[in-house]
Amino acid sequence: EDQVTQSPEALRLQEGESSSLNCSYTVSGLRGLFWYRQDPGKGPEFLFTLYSAGEEKEKERLKATLTKKESFLHITAPKPEDSATYLCAVQVNDYKLSFGAGTTVTVRA
Amino acid sequence: DAGVIQSPRHEVTEMGQEVTLRCKPISGHNSLFWYRQTMMRGLELLIYFNNNVPIDDSGMPEDRFSAKMPNASFSTLKIQPSEPRDSAVYFCASGSGGVFQPQHFGDGTRLSIL
Repeated sequence: EDQVTQSPEALRLQEGESSSLNCSYTVSGLRGLFWYRQDPGKGPEFLFTLYSAGEEKEKERLKATLTKKESFLHITAPKPEDSATYLCAVQVNDYKLSFGAGTTVTVRA
Repeated sequence: DAGVIQSPRHEVTEMGQEVTLRCKPISGHNSLFWYRQTMMRGLELLIYFNNNVPIDDSGMPEDRFSAKMPNASFSTLKIQPSEPRDSAVYFCASGSGGVFQPQHFGDGTRLSIL
């Protein structure tokens, strides 16, 4: 059965304190891995798609990487506005995404 | 650009009542998804439409749930009769279809069944 596990569940950072979030997966055939950001009371907002092992994507203070078994979302010098829940999802067929439970990041000024 | 639009944003109703959630996808997108999000189970796919046709409804929990997409710009998710365990946030998402294409989510309907 396809599984997506995110760790840690919650992360509290001081402004400027860089850290990484982990998404490990076991799927029969990875079609792609997606990262989303979700703010309270809002829907998930698309951040990145990663297609193959070794790939990296960057957007402002966020950098996503992918290996054959896991993905990392690195947050460099975070600001309070980076506080959100970050969701990882793997595409298991032509359309279906299997989501992890998310990591809730809180950045204190 | 207008994103995915859902209505209502909040719904509170009594057990046994019919509930209808509405979604307007992003113009030009041919894939539409309904999800349910709870603390216990996270985000779960309920049903997937492609070109207005239901392709995968294996996530619909019971016959009390039904979804329609009468045209490319409108979809509904109906629960009849509603039960307290249906309380959750329901999201609609749309996409241009295919592998590697991201799904774009609306802001959801927070449903409370009393």
